[in-house]
Amino acid sequence: SQQGEEDPQALSIQEGENATMNCSYKTSINNLQWYRQNSGRGLVHLILIRSNEREKHSGRLRVTLDTSKKSSSLLITASRAADTASYFCATDAGGGTYKYIFGTGTRLKVLA
Amino acid sequence: DTGVSQDPRHKITKRGQNVTFRCDPISEHNRLYWYRQTLGQGPEFLTYFQNEAQLEKSRLLSDRFSAERPKGSFSTLEIQRTEQGDSAMYLCASSPLAGGFYNEQFFGPGTRLTVL
Repeated sequence: SQQGEEDPQALSIQEGENATMNCSYKTSINNLQWYRQNSGRGLVHLILIRSNEREKHSGRLRVTLDTSKKSSSLLITASRAADTASYFCATDAGGGTYKYIFGTGTRLKVLA
Repeated sequence: DTGVSQDPRHKITKRGQNVTFRCDPISEHNRLYWYRQTLGQGPEFLTYFQNEAQLEKSRLLSDRFSAERPKGSFSTLEIQRTEQGDSAMYLCASSPLAGGFYNEQFFGPGTRLTVL
């Protein structure tokens, strides 16, 4: 079963706009990761945020984590056509395991 | 380093046949993962290794699936008596141990399996 659920399932925006996608999960975690997948490059790691962190930045990416609400958000600022891809959150399954559970993904389309 | 590689990239087989996939992780990475992904879904965890030890296997995985990682280097995933429902992209990922903390996974390009 999927632990993470991304919202929205699909998002279409104009180039230059910001894109926000959310991830909710069910159990306590140690870390949450965001990945991007497009047909050209496969799955690529974007950012990792640990459970004791609330916000991280990487270039045009900003990730927040709210462990009390069991949710995370990924913000992509000043989007580009090249950002068109599916975005997945992945969480560890907790309990000391290094197993990861991926969400169902948000399909982002950036229109030029 | 060329990243995680998988072989073959595509496999077409007939129902009932056995197939084997290979994954070569990034050389210094201790953890190796196998996932299965179907269209429109996120990767589904199958199993993972730390060095040569298989530490966890999905309860969803039938006995037809087996994975090995001899000597803690490359890994193979075998599916016996394939079924049409096994058609999917099979992804391999590796991750460094780095003091026992959780770290990012580096994914290979995947092996696309089609069972006719």
